[in-house]
Formats: sequence, C-alpha cells, structure tokens
Amino acid sequence: AQTVTQSQPEMSVQEAETVTLSCTYDTSESNYYLFWYKQPPSRQMILVIRQEAYKQQNATENRFSVNFQKAAKSFSLKISDSQLGDTAMYFCAFMKLSGTYKYIFGTGTRLKVLA
Amino acid sequence: DAGVIQSPRHEVTEMGQEVTLRCKPISGHNSLFWYRQTMMRGLELLIYFNNNVPIDDSGMPEDRFSAKMPNASFSTLKIQPSEPRDSAVYFCASSFQGQPQHFGDGTRLSIL
Repeated sequence: AQTVTQSQPEMSVQEAETVTLSCTYDTSESNYYLFWYKQPPSRQMILVIRQEAYKQQNATENRFSVNFQKAAKSFSLKISDSQLGDTAMYFCAFMKLSGTYKYIFGTGTRLKVLA
Repeated sequence: DAGVIQSPRHEVTEMGQEVTLRCKPISGHNSLFWYRQTMMRGLELLIYFNNNVPIDDSGMPEDRFSAKMPNASFSTLKIQPSEPRDSAVYFCASSFQGQPQHFGDGTRLSIL
C-alpha cells in the first residue's frame, strides 16, 4: 500500500522569502503522479503543481517548483518570493497510474506567510 | 468553464435527520470522488465512481452513508440517519482518465 508523509505540521515564512515544504512517499509502483494542492482559508482545494514520475525534470509553475527525488521517494515544494496569499494548508498527493485513479493524501502542512 | 459544483455550501441539521449532498462534475470527466475532511482525520476518500459505476467504497464509514451516480452529470451522498460525528466538510472532485482531480468548494455539514 502507498503512504504519503508530510512531516511538518506547521511552518512560517517572511513575505518575499523562500520556503520548502517536504513530502515523502512509499510505493512499489514505477508509474505514478505526484501533486501539491493548496487549501486557503476559503477551503477550496487548488492544484498547485504536478510531477509525472517518468519525467526527470522538476516541474515548475511560476513561483512554485518541486524537487523530485525518485530514488529517495521525496517530493518537496519550494515557494519563492512568498506572498501573503500563499498562506494555506498544503497537501501532497500520490496517484498510481494503474488500476484506480484515487489519491493518497498526506496530512498537510499549514503555512503562514508573515508580513 | 464551470468547475465542480456542490450544493448546498452549508448544511445545519439535527441528528437523526436525512442529509443529501449534491455534486455536478465537470462535463466530460469520467471519474468522481467523494471526500470527507475533519481536523482529526484529515482528508478521507469515501467513495470513487468511474463511468458512473462505484469502484471503491471501502472508505464509506458505515451503512448510514450511501452514494449514487445516476448519470454522468450528477452524484449524491446521503447520510441517514445523521449523527453529530458526521459533522465535517464534504468535498466532491472529478477527473478524466487519471488527470488531476478538480475539487468543488465543499459542503460544510453541521449535525446538532
């Protein structure tokens, strides 16, 4: 069975600084996707970024980038130039590409951006 | 392009009452997921449909919970009878062929 671990329940960062959220996972699958979702206080679940396991290149979306280490089963999210609007819960999710398409979510990291 | 639409956004009811949550997935998506989110247990997958057929309902907590998807554009999650411990935010999400899931805004359910 797959598991996803987010070991940082809470983090804070000063506005304009850079912060890295960690995520590790355990799987015997070789084909899978990894995602980061953001849940602001409005409670929407917003897709931030995704990474296909077969791609060696790390995904980037504007100020958000990942450090994907497949052998280490690590998938961290880096937020550059943090903004107050980045304050949210961040969830890491795993999805295998065989069988069902259900996600395995981590427990989340609550990020607070300080002015 | 409309996203996943859930209704109601908030529901407050007394224990013992029947509760029905509704979801309209994104047009063209063939997978639909119901989740429950609480502080204690985080995000839990309750049930997953593919092409309107329930594939995995192992997360449904007990017989009081039931879900249906009569067609590709509508799903319901029903709780009967409701209990205070069912209080949570319930999310519906949809996707196509393993692409990222798109979530609705959720229904905040409070059982008094």
